[in-house]
Amino acid sequence: GENVEQHPSTLSVQEGDSAVIKCTYSDSASNYFPWYKQELGKRPQLIIDIRSNVGEKKDQRIAVTLNKTAKHFSLHITETQPEDSAVYFCAASITKLTFGTGTQLKVEL
Amino acid sequence: GAVVSQHPSWVICKSGTSVKIECRSLDFQATTMFWYRQFPKQSLMLMATSNEGSKATYEQGVEKDKFLINHASLTLSTLTVTSAHPEDSSFYICSAVPTPVGGWSPLHFGNGTRLTVT
Repeated sequence: GENVEQHPSTLSVQEGDSAVIKCTYSDSASNYFPWYKQELGKRPQLIIDIRSNVGEKKDQRIAVTLNKTAKHFSLHITETQPEDSAVYFCAASITKLTFGTGTQLKVEL
Repeated sequence: GAVVSQHPSWVICKSGTSVKIECRSLDFQATTMFWYRQFPKQSLMLMATSNEGSKATYEQGVEKDKFLINHASLTLSTLTVTSAHPEDSSFYICSAVPTPVGGWSPLHFGNGTRLTVT
């Protein structure tokens, strides 16, 4: 089955800096790659997603890049704010989602 | 749109009892729903895929006789944790897709159920 690795497990940045989270996947047939933000005790919220026929997608301060050849994709958050602090999960999907291990992002004032 | 409602949001039960969790798609039909389990500070682990009108598909290592799934309608799936034990204490989250499964549709998650078995 699909295996998704995510790094780093924790990330601390200063407010206004950029944050980058990286994921790799094992199954070249995966064709959908969403990113979720989860605050403590709450449901995961979809923040951005990308499909395998696209290399990059941007939504305001958030962008995702996909390298199908290398089987890795990354989340980029620019101009980070304290409210960006949360756990972020990447995922890869063919017919069902396999999640990465999560990244605890802390944006410090 | 694409709201998924999950009930209850939290439950405390005694060891040996059973607990039922409901997952409803409020404004769309979902032929497929997914049940995840999340232990503290860990990732979401898929337990099973719930298919309307047919048997659920369980992931490796998940006991189908312990975690009973029923998907009797296009808007409702239930997960019953039978003979619950303290090690079953976890955050259970359901999700649904409003279109046929094909890897293209984003999942919409319920609010989750915090189960504590004493």
